[in-house]
Amino acid sequence: SAVISQKPSRDICQRGTSLTIQCQVDSQVTMMFWYRQQPGQSLTLIATANQGSEATYESGFVIDKFPISRPNLTFSTLTVSNMSPEDSSIYLCSVVRQGGGTQYFGPGTRLTVL
Amino acid sequence: KNQVEQSPQSLIILEGKNCTLQCNYTVSPFSNLRWYKQDTGRGPVSLTIMTFSENTKSNGRYTATLDADTKQSSLHITASQLSDSASYICVVSASGGATNKLIFGTGTLLAVQP
Repeated sequence: SAVISQKPSRDICQRGTSLTIQCQVDSQVTMMFWYRQQPGQSLTLIATANQGSEATYESGFVIDKFPISRPNLTFSTLTVSNMSPEDSSIYLCSVVRQGGGTQYFGPGTRLTVL
Repeated sequence: KNQVEQSPQSLIILEGKNCTLQCNYTVSPFSNLRWYKQDTGRGPVSLTIMTFSENTKSNGRYTATLDADTKQSSLHITASQLSDSASYICVVSASGGATNKLIFGTGTLLAVQP
C-alpha cells in the first residue's frame, strides 16, 4: 500500500482567503489526483496533478480557482483560492503507484469556509 | 452516460448480523470495479478490486461479487462488527485514454448497532 499524508487535516477559513493543502506520499507514484467530497456526496475528481507540467482539470474546475503543483513524484499541493462557503468540503489526495493497480486515498482535509 | 448507483442509501443492522450492499453500473468500456470503505472523517480504503473475468473476491469478512452481464455487483459483510460502521462506495473504472477514469457511486451508509 501507499502511505499518504495531508496537511492540514482540517481548517476553518474566512471567505475570500486561500488555503494550500499539501499531499506527501511515502514512495514514488505515477499518478496523483485531487478530489472533492461535498457534504453527503461522493467523490468528484478536480484534477490530475502532472509532475513538471500543468495539471489536467475536469469539467467545472479551473486553474485560477484550484491551482495545483507537483514538483516531484511524491508531493503535490492544491490551493483553494478566493474561498466561499460553497467550497466547504473534504479535499482528498489520491495516488496510483508505479505499475498501476489500486488507487489509494489520503485521509482528507476537512475545510469549512465561514 | 457513465453512472454508478448504489442501494440502499443507508442501512442499520445489529452487531453479528450479515448484510448485502448493491451496486448497479452503466460504464463503458468497463475496466474494473472496486469497493471502498470510508470511515467518517477519513479517506476511502480499498476493500476489493475485480476485473471483467472475476465474479467473486473476498477480503476477510467482506465478499464482493460481480456479474458483468447484468452490470451488477454486491458487497456481502458477514458477522458484522461495530467497526464496520462506515460508508461503502462502489467505484467503476472506465478504460480508455492515457488513464482509467473512476466513476464513484454515492455510497451506502452502514450503521452497526450493539
